[in-house]
Amino acid sequence: DSGVTQTPKHLITATGQRVTLRCSPRSGDLSVYWYQQSLDQGLQFLIHYYNGEERAKGNILERFSAQQFPDLHSELNLSSLELGDSALYFCASSVDGGVGTEAFFGQGTRLTVV
Amino acid sequence: GEDVEQSLFLSVREGDSSVINCTYTDSSSTYLYWYKQEPGAGLQLLTYIFSNMDMKQDQRLTVLLNKKDKHLSLRIADTQTGDSAIYFCAETFTGGGNKLTFGTGTQLKVEL
Repeated sequence: DSGVTQTPKHLITATGQRVTLRCSPRSGDLSVYWYQQSLDQGLQFLIHYYNGEERAKGNILERFSAQQFPDLHSELNLSSLELGDSALYFCASSVDGGVGTEAFFGQGTRLTVV
Repeated sequence: GEDVEQSLFLSVREGDSSVINCTYTDSSSTYLYWYKQEPGAGLQLLTYIFSNMDMKQDQRLTVLLNKKDKHLSLRIADTQTGDSAIYFCAETFTGGGNKLTFGTGTQLKVEL
């Protein structure tokens, strides 16, 4: 158990809908990262938050947004869902955002868009 | 941009050594990592190497880095059935913060 909790584990929704994925980082970790794993694109970095502030953005679609709350949990919001958004979404946390700081991954949320 | 490639599949017999290879294009790599993904599980960090090192050994795992050729390998000695999983190499690079760029993943199958 990495200590990173993601909910829900599975989500099935229809095209055009909006969903929210939740991540609770390890106790004491200030950084949260979101990654998407799909068959087409592999594992891709989406976004990084540190202590409530956005630090870095990857290939995140405009339909997607994220935030990190004062209690350090994070949410990834996906809207106007398309079939191609079906993927495994991982959250990871690290104690800070420094290079080489070990990132611990949650078990992921599997999103299926039908 | 950065690009990290791996062969898709490797099959070995239990007890043999496995060597999983990775090539990357970004010459400003800072750290290089190996992660393991088992079905239904998240990504588990196995080991990492700083970009100015050539080799790192950690129990059954040996990481070799050839920075000139931008080639990274992971050797697993005495491979066991429990090592069956997908293995990802990943890198961080200068200016990229702690963002991980992952390879395509190698599925390791260990046969009896």
